[in-house]
Parts: sequence; C-alpha cells; structure tokens
Amino acid sequence: DAKTTQPPSMDCAEGRAANLPCNHSTISGNEYVYWYRQIHSQGPQYIIHGLKNNETNEMASLIITEDRKSSTLILPHATLRDTAVYYCIVKAGTASKLTFGTGTRLQVTL
Amino acid sequence: EPEVTQTPSHQVTQMGQEVILRCVPISNHLYFYWYRQILGQKVEFLVSFYNNEISEKSEIFDDQFSVERPDGSNFTLKIRSTKLEDSAMYFCASTPDRNYGYTFGSGTRLTVV
Repeated sequence: DAKTTQPPSMDCAEGRAANLPCNHSTISGNEYVYWYRQIHSQGPQYIIHGLKNNETNEMASLIITEDRKSSTLILPHATLRDTAVYYCIVKAGTASKLTFGTGTRLQVTL
Repeated sequence: EPEVTQTPSHQVTQMGQEVILRCVPISNHLYFYWYRQILGQKVEFLVSFYNNEISEKSEIFDDQFSVERPDGSNFTLKIRSTKLEDSAMYFCASTPDRNYGYTFGSGTRLTVV
C-alpha cells in the first residue's frame, strides 16, 4: 500500500470549513484513498473514499488531484464534535488490510 | 444505523490467562477484522477473516492468537496466554465488500496485570 503524509495537527474555528490535506505521491492506479477519523479512544469511523473523482457524502467532501498524488478532506462546517484524529489511508480495492498512520489531529475551537 | 457490537467494553485479566473478546459484526457483512491500539500508539492490523478462514494476518498475530466465527453472528478473538504487552484497545470491524468503508466497533479495553 502507498505511504501517505499528513500534517500532525491542525486547528479550525467552529462553523468554518476544515481542509485536511494528504500526500500520496506513490499511489498506484488501483488504489483508493480512504478517510477515517478516531474521536478520543473510540473505534475508527469511516468518512469517505474515492478513486479519482471527487466525492461528497453527508459527512464530508473528498477532492483528489488530477494526478492523484494528493487529496483534501473537507468538513464544510466544522463543529466541536469533529475534533478527532483524521487518517488518510491508501488501499487497493482488493486488499483487506487498512494501514493506519499517525494521522492529523484536528482541534475545532469556539 | 447498524453497528458492530463488542463485548466486554473493559476486561482485566492476569498474565498467563486466556481471554476471549467478542464481536457481533453487521449482519450482511462478509469480511471481518481485528485491530488493536496500544495506548498512545497507532491502530494496528491483526487479522482479516472471510469465508470462514483467515485471509491475512500480521506478524503480531502469532500462535497465541486465534479467531473464530462459531455461529452466524459472533466473531471472536482469543488470546491463549496473555502477556503484559497485550494490554491495548481491541477493535473489531466488518464490511460487506473490501472496496467499501469498514465499520468499527467501540472496542474492548484489555488490561493484563
């Protein structure tokens, strides 16, 4: 699985958009970009994933660059409950294992 | 919304004892996983299970560990002889398809004393 690079921490004001970047310059053609988050010591929570097109669901939007070497997770209106560690993971669709890195610790403040 | 249920939420055991951690995956899911997270460290993959057999396991998943799906609903992780370093949060996960997102349970905190 391709390695990903994320900033260790970010801050965001409540109500503003949180834009979390991820670099995955060695991604292969059959690998998807997945985003999960972990709130305190709870189990990781799936947010969104994509192959090459931008994706949106009720939680977030995923923007993948045309060359697929980087992506951005967008939380459009961050709330205090979005404070968590966010993980960007690259995985082939047929692979089973998710490999978690250290992620980005997002702190949403008043 | 369907959930992955794990029991117990917290288990304390003495070193050398056997423990069984239990999970009820989402009913129509086909792929099952165990992960663990030692306090302050990354979430680590242990094992994946599909079609009643292990499909992949990590180096952590040695002979002391085993998994079983004893009936149509439960998925268990057994540690035969616990060590102090097995103390961690253990998360179960499931998915209907490996392309999809995985649903994780809330975890079992295992403390080995």
